Amino acid sequence: GQQVMQIPQYQHVQEGEDFTTYCNSSTTLSNIQWYKQRPGGHPVFLIQLVKSGEVKKQKRLTFQFGEAKKNSSLHITATQTTDVGTYFCAGRGETSGSRLTFGEGTQLTVNP
Amino acid sequence: ETGVTQTPRHLVMGMTNKKSLKCEQHLGHNAMYWYKQSAKKPLELMFVYSLEERVENNSVPSRFSPECPNSSHLFLHLHTLQPEDSALYLCASSQDWNPSYEQYFGPGTRLTVT
Repeated sequence: GQQVMQIPQYQHVQEGEDFTTYCNSSTTLSNIQWYKQRPGGHPVFLIQLVKSGEVKKQKRLTFQFGEAKKNSSLHITATQTTDVGTYFCAGRGETSGSRLTFGEGTQLTVNP
Repeated sequence: ETGVTQTPRHLVMGMTNKKSLKCEQHLGHNAMYWYKQSAKKPLELMFVYSLEERVENNSVPSRFSPECPNSSHLFLHLHTLQPEDSALYLCASSQDWNPSYEQYFGPGTRLTVT
């Protein structure tokens, strides 16, 4: 079955440093979504990417979908303490009936 | 913050108890989901409902029994659970059960089975 893997599992950064998490799928994806879960909270939708090579930005966050549509990345520039949380990617395979499969998430800690 | 509410927020139950988790969405969505979130594991999709009809059941043990009386409400009935069932149970909704739509999650129920 479809597998979605995220690396790293944990990332500790100093405030102001950049952060990147990577998402890799075992199969080609039709779309990929990113969610953020604050400590003690629930996942909140950030963005969806659909097109090959697509890049989207939200303030300090840059999301990219690979040319082969099998990987994606989330990059945060100049992290702030408010960025703390776990970032999940979730991808849907191209085959009919595919469901959204979540990665294990990358837990980000930002030291002030 | 979100239009999806869950009750109770915390639940402790013995292995012989029967309890129910409730989820309500106020977003006018047609699809609702139950997920299980355990430590160091990806979110596990348990059930998907579209317009009150179950469209997916991911090999979930029969001790978990979902119910969707209408498109706004979703229940998860629990009985004779095991300690390994302790986890955060998240409800979510989306406009449609097509995976292209974003999902809105509720705050979750933290379940502890003793």
